[in-house]
Amino acid sequence: NAGVTQTPKFRILKIGQSMTLQCAQDMNHNYMYWYRQDPGMGLKLIYYSVGAGITDKGEVPNGYNVSRSTTEDFPLRLELAAPSQTSVYFCASSYTGGSYEQYFGPGTRLTVT
Amino acid sequence: GESVGLHLPTLSVQEGDNSIINCAYSNSASDYFIWYKQESGKGPQFIIDIRSNMDKRQGQRVTVLLNKTVKHLSLQIAATQPGDSAVYFCAENSGGSNYKLTFGKGTLLTVNP
Repeated sequence: NAGVTQTPKFRILKIGQSMTLQCAQDMNHNYMYWYRQDPGMGLKLIYYSVGAGITDKGEVPNGYNVSRSTTEDFPLRLELAAPSQTSVYFCASSYTGGSYEQYFGPGTRLTVT
Repeated sequence: GESVGLHLPTLSVQEGDNSIINCAYSNSASDYFIWYKQESGKGPQFIIDIRSNMDKRQGQRVTVLLNKTVKHLSLQIAATQPGDSAVYFCAENSGGSNYKLTFGKGTLLTVNP
């Protein structure tokens, strides 16, 4: 299993540009999440999904959009990038039974200038 | 403010010593707690978790203690090694949604050889 994969690893955007951060998992997990991590801070939940076709806002959703057309993929869309979106973005997934452990991807480091 | 916080932002220990990382939480409805380790440039990695019906759980070289009376969580690492150097996060499931986690800011553990 590859686990949770994210692309790209690094990206620099200009203010106002858009991009999609890709996330995929091969563990057949129903739940998937997007977090952002600012320097010296913990993880803030942006959006989450409990299954294909179902998404919901987390703590900091403004400026982002998501979709979940398959169990495996959960892309995060940034529209009109702003410097405040400079951060490291982590995707995670978890399954519905037993432990609530979330499995994390390696992250995407995004800089908006 | 955040419902999950840490008493010490940094901790420096000598190799071979035991380490204790503390965490306070404020949501008495939380019934699941988890510790993650994050090495530089990587995603968070699961260490150990504990449910609210327990007050102690042990893993390999790690022990988590839960004190619900004072809403306190700690992670003990025995015989700390240089490879343990990382940021450690505690997280709780709060608000009645077991699958969503709220993360603290983290503690940077540095192990000196």
